[in-house]
Amino acid sequence: QVQLVESGGGVVQPGRSLRLSCAASGFTFSSYGMHWVRQAPGKGLEWVAVIWYDGSNKFYADSVKARFTISRDNSKNTLYLQMNSLRAEDTSVYYCARIRVPWGSFDAFDIWGQGTMVTVSS
Amino acid sequence: EIVLTQSPGTLSLSPGERATLSCRASQSVSSSYLAWYQQKPGQAPRLLIYGASSRATGIPDRFSGSGSGTDFALTISRLEPEDFAVYYCQQFGNSPYTFGQGTKLEIK
Repeated sequence: QVQLVESGGGVVQPGRSLRLSCAASGFTFSSYGMHWVRQAPGKGLEWVAVIWYDGSNKFYADSVKARFTISRDNSKNTLYLQMNSLRAEDTSVYYCARIRVPWGSFDAFDIWGQGTMVTVSS
Repeated sequence: EIVLTQSPGTLSLSPGERATLSCRASQSVSSSYLAWYQQKPGQAPRLLIYGASSRATGIPDRFSGSGSGTDFALTISRLEPEDFAVYYCQQFGNSPYTFGQGTKLEIK
């Protein structure tokens, strides 16, 4: 079945780095734009970053720009989020999400992973 | 950045009643790029509506979306016990692809 599975979360000290992974299965990963979305404990959803289906374009929320890097390996059906210079305010559940339509413009996330928790604390 | 403001923050209703949730954008959003999600505690969000009014696969027809420009709405015609959750709107008109702050639909 169509599935996204995140991994790589954990507890990390402020200023340190962490890399999240999102393994895709059940669909042609290389045809879909992919995003990261996060949710701080008890808070709403915050869009984080997007990467085009072929990796040709990437965009970030201002809150993570220059610190986070989104990437993908279509040969491994895997999406990544490299998080550097982590701050306490980055503490969240991180979800990867698939755009509804292959190759097409972005209009909704139809598949979400279960999320991975990142806690930034000394 | 397009700011989405959802109202009310909390809506208290009983099963069988009709719910109307609002999402207002700080600037015009093409109807093609407005989506609604449902999120229950401990779960990932689930897509309900895309393109402002198209139901996603498997979504019951008691859920409907409407609106254009800066004003959008999600209506649940007859609330079922499983509909009590938090609802978010999201726009894809411009990056960053912002979410509203959410409306919590609770049992009265």
